[in-house]
Amino acid sequence: QVQLVQSGAEVKKPGASVKVSCKASGYTFTSYYIHWVRQAPGQGLEWMGIINPNGGSTSYAQNFQGRVTMTRDTSTNTVYMELSSLKSEDTAVYYCAREKHGDCWFDPWGQGILVTVSS
Amino acid sequence: QSALTQPASVSGSPGQSITISCTGTSSDVGGYNYVSWYQQHPGKAPKLMIYEVSNRPSGVSNRFSGSKSGNTASLTISGLQAEDEADYYCSSRTSSGSYVFGTGTKVTVL
Repeated sequence: QVQLVQSGAEVKKPGASVKVSCKASGYTFTSYYIHWVRQAPGQGLEWMGIINPNGGSTSYAQNFQGRVTMTRDTSTNTVYMELSSLKSEDTAVYYCAREKHGDCWFDPWGQGILVTVSS
Repeated sequence: QSALTQPASVSGSPGQSITISCTGTSSDVGGYNYVSWYQQHPGKAPKLMIYEVSNRPSGVSNRFSGSKSGNTASLTISGLQAEDEADYYCSSRTSSGSYVFGTGTKVTVL
């Protein structure tokens, strides 16, 4: 079955970077986009950006421009999201989610990764 | 890009119908039929409930339906059940090619 399995929880200090992963299985990796969405504690969902595993092109939300980098490894069907210059406000659960090219909806989602930024 | 506007909470008794609104602009909700809805139970990942305004994925109950008029989309849950108690988020593609989510609505089954 289609699955997106994300890496484990992270704890980082302010100013550091974090790199999290999302491993896809059960479908053709390069036929679907991967989005990253985050959710701060008790808050709503926030779209961060998208990567096309077929070629690696990316598009980032304006709020994260210059701080986020999304990459992929087609040999392991894995997408990575790195966020730099972390602040306490970046404490959140980070989700990856799949989109079939041009469908504009997200299904399924990974289980989420809690990233905690604290001194 | 500002978040789409949803009511903070909606409640109903079992068996009743409720409707959640999602208001955007002509640059997102009003400009495209790319509105989707997600259900999120506490501590869980969101789950797709409606795509392209009114389509239900396989496996989603037909008690869930979606519609759109102008810049406002709506999700209706009919025959409300205890298991429907969750947070619900709308989402839309925008004119800039990005995506925006709604502020979220907590549904309570009385």
